[in-house]
Amino acid sequence: DVKVTQSSRYLVKRTGEKVFLECVQDMDHENMFWYRQDPGLGLRLIYFSYDVKMKEKGDIPEGYSVSREKKERFSLILESASTNQTSMYLCASSFGGTPRRYTEAFFGQGTRLTVV
Amino acid sequence: QQPVQSPQAVILREGEDAVINCSSSKALYSVHWYRQKHGEAPVFLMILLKGGEQKGHEKISASFNEKKQQSSLYLTASQLSYSGTYFCGTESTGNQFYFGTGTSLTVIP
Repeated sequence: DVKVTQSSRYLVKRTGEKVFLECVQDMDHENMFWYRQDPGLGLRLIYFSYDVKMKEKGDIPEGYSVSREKKERFSLILESASTNQTSMYLCASSFGGTPRRYTEAFFGQGTRLTVV
Repeated sequence: QQPVQSPQAVILREGEDAVINCSSSKALYSVHWYRQKHGEAPVFLMILLKGGEQKGHEKISASFNEKKQQSSLYLTASQLSYSGTYFCGTESTGNQFYFGTGTSLTVIP
């Protein structure tokens, strides 16, 4: 089974802290994604990576950065956490290298981040 | 650009049928459907590609009308296990992909 593992289920951080959310997948997927999930807003893409060291901004990249140094690992960084970044963060991965960029995505369990 | 889902929420009794709609303002290459149970990760259900095909997954099927830029998810003879939030995702030109806001489905005994 494909497994996408996020490092923490719950995190509480203080305003202004630098926060790292880690995601690891074990299926050798090229594509990895970070989404933010808020009630009534669905899943919104923060960043997308289609290869090691390659990244693209999603719809809401402000206040976030990402790092992909190894194929299996995709990190989301909140440079200076703010209360409006309190949310559920979901990592996903999928196969790439096909004519279609978006194929079946496998999601991690999510990290519930609270910024106080 | 985010597709619109309707209804926002629906409550069903076991055995009843439901339809969830997903509508986009853009020309679509594909529509994806996911289900997220409470406290769990979203799980892929199916992809529908341009061509108006209908696909099925147990008693859950979907259609894709590319001319209308719409997809519908059909849940027949609903079971308690169908409860969750259903998301459509639409792929359009320029490699753009957006999830809808979700439809909460609750099946009661």
